[in-house]
Amino acid sequence: KQEVTQIPAALSVPEGENLVLNCSFTDSAIYNLQWFRQDPGKGLTSLLLIQSSQREQTSGRLNASLDKSSGRSTLYIAASQPGDSATYLCAFYTGTASKLTFGTGTRLQVTL
Amino acid sequence: EAGVVQSPRYKIIEKKQPVAFWCNPISGHNTLYWYRQNLGQGPELLIRYENEEAVDDSQLPKDRFSAERLKGVDSTLKIQPAELGDSAVYLCASSPGPAEEQFFGPGTRLTVL
Repeated sequence: KQEVTQIPAALSVPEGENLVLNCSFTDSAIYNLQWFRQDPGKGLTSLLLIQSSQREQTSGRLNASLDKSSGRSTLYIAASQPGDSATYLCAFYTGTASKLTFGTGTRLQVTL
Repeated sequence: EAGVVQSPRYKIIEKKQPVAFWCNPISGHNTLYWYRQNLGQGPELLIRYENEEAVDDSQLPKDRFSAERLKGVDSTLKIQPAELGDSAVYLCASSPGPAEEQFFGPGTRLTVL
């Protein structure tokens, strides 16, 4: 069974800092990886999708990478802003399964 | 383009009462998912539809939960009777096809008293 761990569980940084969120998984048979953000009381917003043949994806200030051999994915946020404050979740498709297995998330707070 | 639409946004009921949630996926998305999210945890899949066919319902508590997706578009998720442990956020998502990028609705926050 795929297990997905996100570290740290919570993170507070001052505005302007670059930061990295980590996601590790136990099953290397990863198909696709998706990063989401979730604001309090809201649904999930898709940030980036890395397909199985890719190693990274970039969108604006966000960069996500996938290393299947080490069982890790990272989400890099450049020049953080207070509006980036949210919970960030990683999720994986494994093998031929079409369901996402989610991590428990990292709660990020960017302070002024 | 409209996103995934869910209603109601909030629902408070007493235990043993029935409750239903509705989801309208993004137009053209054949795959529809229902997830349950407990406080402080990531979502867990309840059921996945490919068009109108339920292809993965292994995590759906079938003694009290049911779902349908008539005509392969809108979907409803029902709980009857509700229990205290059903309190959670119920999220609907859709994707163009299986294992593709998923887009989530705002969710329905259910409180069972």
